[in-house]
Amino acid sequence: DVKVTQSSRYLVKRTGEKVFLECVQDMDHENMFWYRQDPGLGLRLIYFSYDVKMKEKGDIPEGYSVSREKKERFSLILESASTNQTSMYLCASSLRGSWNSPLHFGNGTRLTVT
Amino acid sequence: GEDVEQSLFLSVREGDSSVINCTYTDSSSTYLYWYKQEPGAGLQLLTYIFSNMDMKQDQRLTVLLNKKDKHLSLRIADTQTGDSAIYFCAERRRGNEKLTFGTGTRLTIIP
Repeated sequence: DVKVTQSSRYLVKRTGEKVFLECVQDMDHENMFWYRQDPGLGLRLIYFSYDVKMKEKGDIPEGYSVSREKKERFSLILESASTNQTSMYLCASSLRGSWNSPLHFGNGTRLTVT
Repeated sequence: GEDVEQSLFLSVREGDSSVINCTYTDSSSTYLYWYKQEPGAGLQLLTYIFSNMDMKQDQRLTVLLNKKDKHLSLRIADTQTGDSAIYFCAERRRGNEKLTFGTGTRLTIIP
C-alpha cells in the first residue's frame, strides 16, 4: 500500500522562524507535490518536483522554497514564517506519465504561525 | 482558463442521493477526478473519468461528464453517515503532470 508520510501533524511556529515540513513516500514515485488547503479556496499548488533536484513553481510559490535531494523525500521550507502562512499543508506523490494513477496524499500538517 | 469551481456546502438526508457538481474551464482537460477528504485526513481518490466518456458507474457512485458545458457531477446513491466529508473535483490537462483542484464541497448528512 502506498504510503506518504508527513513528519508532523501539528506545528506551532513564531513569525520570522524558518520552518521545515518533511514528506516521505515509499513507492518510488517520480512526482511529488506540496499543496496548501484553506477553507473556501480548496487546494493550491505551491511547488512540484518531477525528479531528484528538479522543481517547478506552482500557483503560489511566494514565501516558500523546496528541496528534493533524494527521490523519496520532498521538503517544503518557509524561509521566514508569517501569519498568512497559517494553513493545512498536504504532500502528495504520483507516478510520472501515468494518467490513471492517482495522487497519493499524506495526512497533512496543520501549521500555525503566531 | 484555470478555474475549477464547486459549491462549498451540501446537506442531504440519510438514504437520499447526493449530487455534487463541478465546473471547469480548460477544454484540454484529459482526466477528471473526484477525491474525498475525511476529517483529519488527506485526500483519497474516489473515481476518475476520461474526457471522452460521458458516464462512469462504480457501485454507489455515478460520475457524469458534460464536455460541451464543462460540467462534472458526482452522484452518491443511498447516502450514509460515512459519506460525510469534503469532496474535491480535479482536472488534469493534456501534457501536464499536475492536477488543479476545486474549492471542495462539504457534504453533511442529516439523520
